[in-house]
Amino acid sequence: QVQLQESGPGLVKPSETLSLICTVSGGSLTSYYWSWVRQPAGKGLEWIGRIYTSGNTGYNPSLKSRVTLSIDTSKNQFSLKLSSVTAADTAVYYCAREQNYGDYDYWGQGTLVTVSS
Amino acid sequence: QAVLTQPSSLSASPGASASLTCTLRSGINVGTYRIYWYQQKPGSPPQYLLKYRSDSDTQQGSGVPSRFSGSKDASANAGILLISGLQSEDEADYYCMIWHNSAWVFGGGTKLTVL
Repeated sequence: QVQLQESGPGLVKPSETLSLICTVSGGSLTSYYWSWVRQPAGKGLEWIGRIYTSGNTGYNPSLKSRVTLSIDTSKNQFSLKLSSVTAADTAVYYCAREQNYGDYDYWGQGTLVTVSS
Repeated sequence: QAVLTQPSSLSASPGASASLTCTLRSGINVGTYRIYWYQQKPGSPPQYLLKYRSDSDTQQGSGVPSRFSGSKDASANAGILLISGLQSEDEADYYCMIWHNSAWVFGGGTKLTVL
């Protein structure tokens, strides 16, 4: 059974960089897209971006200038960096596997990141 | 104007059917898109339900009951998630999603109440 687990600081100061890691267990990263999706409290889902095992990436245009995704197949991990954060970036951040085009079949449980001084 | 618009809430009775709409922004033709649907319950990540482009191009998520189905209303430029035989466990938030301009875009979600 594939499992995803997000990890990283739960509190980030404004203007700093949010960094999260998603560790995948029970399966390989190979031949899938791996994504980040976030959800502010009480609000809807927002796709942040995705990375393929080759390193190819795609980003939400509204976040593209601040987002960097990377992948480490040797550690079975992929990561998210979001720079110059503000309170508007406070959200639950999910990592997820895209099995087929658009089918997100496995998700992490999500991690709350709060941006505050 | 948002790319995808969903009603914020919908109520229906147990055993009845519920039709959840996902309206595409003017200028974006629903006929050319595959619409994806996700269900999210409080405190849990979203769960993939199905994708629908046409009756011949649709796929159910693994383990998703056949009570959940997709369709389109071309006249309304909308994708539709139909849930038949509503059960209390269907009470959740439902999100549509499309691939648009090289990015996945979610609708704002519909909170379905079964009462």
